[in-house]
Amino acid sequence: AQSVTQPDIHITVSEGASLELRCNYSYGATPYLFWYVQSPGQGLQLLLKYFSGDTLVQGIKGFEAEFKRSQSSFNLRKPSVHWSDAAEYFCAVGTSYGKLTFGQGTILTVHP
Amino acid sequence: DGGITQSPKYLFRKEGQNVTLSCEQNLNHDAMYWYRQDPGQGLRLIYYSQIVNDFQKGDIAEGYSVSREKKESIPLTVTSAQKNPTAFYLCASSSGLAGDTDTQYFGPGTRLTVL
Repeated sequence: AQSVTQPDIHITVSEGASLELRCNYSYGATPYLFWYVQSPGQGLQLLLKYFSGDTLVQGIKGFEAEFKRSQSSFNLRKPSVHWSDAAEYFCAVGTSYGKLTFGQGTILTVHP
Repeated sequence: DGGITQSPKYLFRKEGQNVTLSCEQNLNHDAMYWYRQDPGQGLRLIYYSQIVNDFQKGDIAEGYSVSREKKESIPLTVTSAQKNPTAFYLCASSSGLAGDTDTQYFGPGTRLTVL
């Protein structure tokens, strides 16, 4: 069965610092991978997705993610964090018929 | 503007009462989904529908029911059989045309509190 693990429940960074959020997946077939962001009390917004091709994927708001098949990882990165990036981030793997399996989420706090 | 609407944003009900959450989309998407979100548990799939008048149970369907009479909407009923219904409920839709690579788009959510 497919699964997604986000090892970090909560991460705190200073504004302007770099960011990396970890995501590891388990899926027997070719993984289709997504990162979503959620502000408190809101729905989820798609940041980026990986289906095939270039393993470095660019998304919105200056985020990027790198797919590493050998490590079963799809880590999200941003070179310089802004206070508005504070939110909860979810990694997900797409399975049959477009269904998604989500990780538990990582809460990002940004200090001024 | 195209998008997904969920209503109401906040919902309070007494224990033992059934309650129906609304979700509508004007994206012309075929597939729609309902998720439940609890703190620290990510999103868990309740039901999904790939086409009108057809739907399948997700991972946590017990105590819930859905209908899909129109392409645009998929109301979710939380029944009294659901043992712990207090949660944040999210609706999503996707085109249904891309198979495994379909991208889901989410509504703003409904927070249900059972007193």
